[in-house]
Amino acid sequence: AQSVTQLDSQVPVFEEAPVELRCNYSSSVSVYLFWYVQYPNQGLQLLLKYLSGSTLVESINGFEAEFNKSQTSFHLRKPSVHISDTAEYFCAVSELRDYKLSFGAGTTVTVRA
Amino acid sequence: DVKVTQSSRYLVKRTGEKVFLECVQDMDHENMFWYRQDPGLGLRLIYFSYDVKMKEKGDIPEGYSVSREKKERFSLILESASTNQTSMYLCASSFLAGGHTQYFGPGTRLTVL
Repeated sequence: AQSVTQLDSQVPVFEEAPVELRCNYSSSVSVYLFWYVQYPNQGLQLLLKYLSGSTLVESINGFEAEFNKSQTSFHLRKPSVHISDTAEYFCAVSELRDYKLSFGAGTTVTVRA
Repeated sequence: DVKVTQSSRYLVKRTGEKVFLECVQDMDHENMFWYRQDPGLGLRLIYFSYDVKMKEKGDIPEGYSVSREKKERFSLILESASTNQTSMYLCASSFLAGGHTQYFGPGTRLTVL
C-alpha cells in the first residue's frame, strides 16, 4: 500500500515570491502522481498529474512539479505566486493498476500582498 | 465540462438520525467515491463503487454504508449519525482505468449535534 507525506502543513508567502510544496510518497510499485488544489469553499480540482514520460509536468496556471523516482518525491513549484493562489494543495498517488488515490494531509498556502 | 453535484452544501443533523448524502455525475464515469475531509488528515476514502450495485470498502467504512442503483448516482448513508461523523464529505467520479483524473463535487459540510 502507498502513503503520501506532505512535509509542510502551512506555507505563508508574499505575492510574486516563489513557492515550493514538498511531497514524498512510499510505494513498492510504479505509481501515478497528482496535485489537486482546493480553493476556499470548493471541491478539489486537478492541478497536474504525472503518468509517464518527462519527469517535469506543467499546469496551465504556472505551476510545475518534478517526479524524482530515486527520492520518491513529487514537489510542486511556482516561480511567482498571486493572491489567487491562496488555497489548500493536496498531493495524491495511485498504483498503476489501481484507480484509488491516497492523499496527503494537505498544505495550506496563504499569499499576502 | 464534467459536473459532480452533491445534494446539500450544509447539513445539520442530530445524534442517532439516519443521514443520506447524494452525489450525481454527468460524465458516464464508472467509478464513484466518497471521502471525508478533516483538518490535518487530508482526504480519507470511505467507500467506492466501480459499477452499478458494486461497492468496496475504503479506509474508514465503519459507521457508513453506500448505495449505487444507477450509474450516475452514488449515495452515502449514515445509519445512526454520531458527533464524530461531523466532517466535510466529498464525492468524486472517474473513468475506470488507473491514472484517470477524479472529478470532485463541492462537498457537504455535515454537523452532527
